[in-house]
Amino acid sequence: EIVMTQSPATLSVSPGERATLSCRASQTVKSELAWYQQKPGQTPRLIIFDAFTRATGIPARFSGSGSGTEFTLTISSLQSEDFAVYYCQHYYVWPPTFGQGTQVEIK
Amino acid sequence: EVQLLESGGALEQPGGSLRLSCVASGFSFSSYALSWVRQAPGKGLEWVSAVSDNGVATFYAESVRGRFTISRDNSKNTLFLQMSSLRAEDTAVYYCAKSKVPGATKRGLLDSWGQGTLVTVSS
Repeated sequence: EIVMTQSPATLSVSPGERATLSCRASQTVKSELAWYQQKPGQTPRLIIFDAFTRATGIPARFSGSGSGTEFTLTISSLQSEDFAVYYCQHYYVWPPTFGQGTQVEIK
Repeated sequence: EVQLLESGGALEQPGGSLRLSCVASGFSFSSYALSWVRQAPGKGLEWVSAVSDNGVATFYAESVRGRFTISRDNSKNTLFLQMSSLRAEDTAVYYCAKSKVPGATKRGLLDSWGQGTLVTVSS
């Protein structure tokens, strides 16, 4: 199976600052990469798919980039509601594996 | 509005069996693949299994292959996960999730999730 590795495990950011999260695949997943946001006690929410397309209702401060094996999620100006755990996931082949998550916390 | 409502989670002994259900509404159920994804307490997300829109094709994580069986009843808008030979490491919240794209493409891309049902495997 394709192993997804996220870095860093924890990212401490002040409100209004930029956050950059990384995700690496052990082999190519082309652009079949999604990012999910999960807040404490809530279910995961799709925020980016096809590497860079924002899901419905996701604000423009969220952007995705990359292809092949290297991907990035950028939150341009962190708002209080953005502090959460973010997971990348490929859906290129079965099984569609997730990364271990990056926790974005308030600095 | 898409709604997915899981049930069937419980405390079960190692080696036991459970059947999870997920009742769906708000979309054309028979047009979308569905998945089960689990999350152990305090841990990350793990995809478990998926079934095609017509129920013919099924997919499993290696960790559950041979022990879990996914199925669906399109006449009742319901997804199932039959779990047997349960192990302590199967303890998790189990989420039912819908594929974003209808049909056979990108079936692992999930755009709607239920609230989950807790399975605890312990003696």
